[in-house]
Amino acid sequence: EAGVTQSPTHLIKTRGQQATLRCSPISGHTSVYWYQQALGLGLQFLLWYDEGEERNRGNFPPRFSGRQFPNYSSELNVNALELEDSALYLCASSLERSWNTQYFGPGTRLTVL
Amino acid sequence: AQTVTQSQPEMSVQEAETVTLSCTYDTSENNYYLFWYKQPPSRQMILVIRQEAYKQQNATENRFSVNFQKAAKSFSLKISDSQLGDTAMYFCAHVSTGTYKYIFGTGTRLKVLA
Repeated sequence: EAGVTQSPTHLIKTRGQQATLRCSPISGHTSVYWYQQALGLGLQFLLWYDEGEERNRGNFPPRFSGRQFPNYSSELNVNALELEDSALYLCASSLERSWNTQYFGPGTRLTVL
Repeated sequence: AQTVTQSQPEMSVQEAETVTLSCTYDTSENNYYLFWYKQPPSRQMILVIRQEAYKQQNATENRFSVNFQKAAKSFSLKISDSQLGDTAMYFCAHVSTGTYKYIFGTGTRLKVLA
């Protein structure tokens, strides 16, 4: 069974640009979560999608947004990039309901110059 | 607000020894779940163990067990017979069935020494 996949592996952008990160969940999983893992800060919850709808979001500005497609894959968009957006962005998927075990992808390393 | 605190940024343990990683959390919810996740160096995060708050019995998975003290809001992870492959960053996490938000601690970096 294929695990959670994320693309690209690395992404380098400059301040003010937009970044798009992609995630494909495990087959059969309907929930997708996005996290930001900045150095020394652990994982910060960004967004949760389930059945194509945004169910919850963390304490991040509106320039962090995303969507979930009918095949349950998901996209995270970060607009107007700032230097402090540099981090590892992790995607996870689970069966419905957020208290099921989450399966994580390898992450996308975003560097903002 | 819900919080998860891991007070040990780094720990080390000799191979075959036992180590305990601490985690405390704060929540006003009654129904929630607690997790320990492991992130090995340059590898993907994986679940170590999961505990439902309504269950009094501590969860166990092979060499990994938890000490869940609900009244004290404590959820420590015990690793017995530590192996070199246990070297990783360990994250404690909490999710309540009311808020649906996963809250992670800042992690404990564990190094198992040969």
